[in-house]
Amino acid sequence: KNQVEQSPQSLIILEGKNCTLQCNYTVSPFSNLRWYKQDTGRGPVSLTIMTFSENTKSNGRYTATLDADTKQSSLHITASQLSDSASYICVVSDRGSTLGRLYFGRGTQLTVWP
Amino acid sequence: EADIYQTPRYLVIGTGKKITLECSQTMGHDKMYWYQQDPGMELHLIHYSYGVNSTEKGDLSSESTVSRIRTEHFPLTLESARPSHTSQYLCASSDDRENSYEQYFGPGTRLTVT
Repeated sequence: KNQVEQSPQSLIILEGKNCTLQCNYTVSPFSNLRWYKQDTGRGPVSLTIMTFSENTKSNGRYTATLDADTKQSSLHITASQLSDSASYICVVSDRGSTLGRLYFGRGTQLTVWP
Repeated sequence: EADIYQTPRYLVIGTGKKITLECSQTMGHDKMYWYQQDPGMELHLIHYSYGVNSTEKGDLSSESTVSRIRTEHFPLTLESARPSHTSQYLCASSDDRENSYEQYFGPGTRLTVT
């Protein structure tokens, strides 16, 4: 069964600290892995998209890694800000965008305290 | 910022009423999607469309229906709302380019059926 598991389920950190969110998946075949940020009551916004050949990608203070062999990904947030408080969702696609199905994780709820 | 819009943002309605959730995008994307998301849970695909006059049911069974008469417009209709339909509904779109993996999400409609 194709699945995407995220950990931790929730996380509280102090402003300015770093954190790492984890994503394990069993989706096969694998096409790409995406990290989305979803603010409360809003739609998800893409942070990074990585294909099989990419093992790291950055977007400002967000850095995603991918190990396609172990089927693991992580999202590292550097120097957290209050605005980073959101749910971070890992999404895996089993083929290209025209045909691929997306498998969604349940997200990690991050809270940044001042 | 993606050019995809949903109205209403919030809706509280009584059981048995007919409702239509609106979704529009100005990016000229052929592909559009409807997802359902309960709090703390993953997104579930309920409908998708590959273009005008094309609609398909998604992975999660839903009593809603959709139509795609115009490229930019993808409304979702519930003929008779029930409390079990209470959820957040997210619309998304993507373009048709090969190797384009991005899905753009609208802000969502929070539906409560009393």
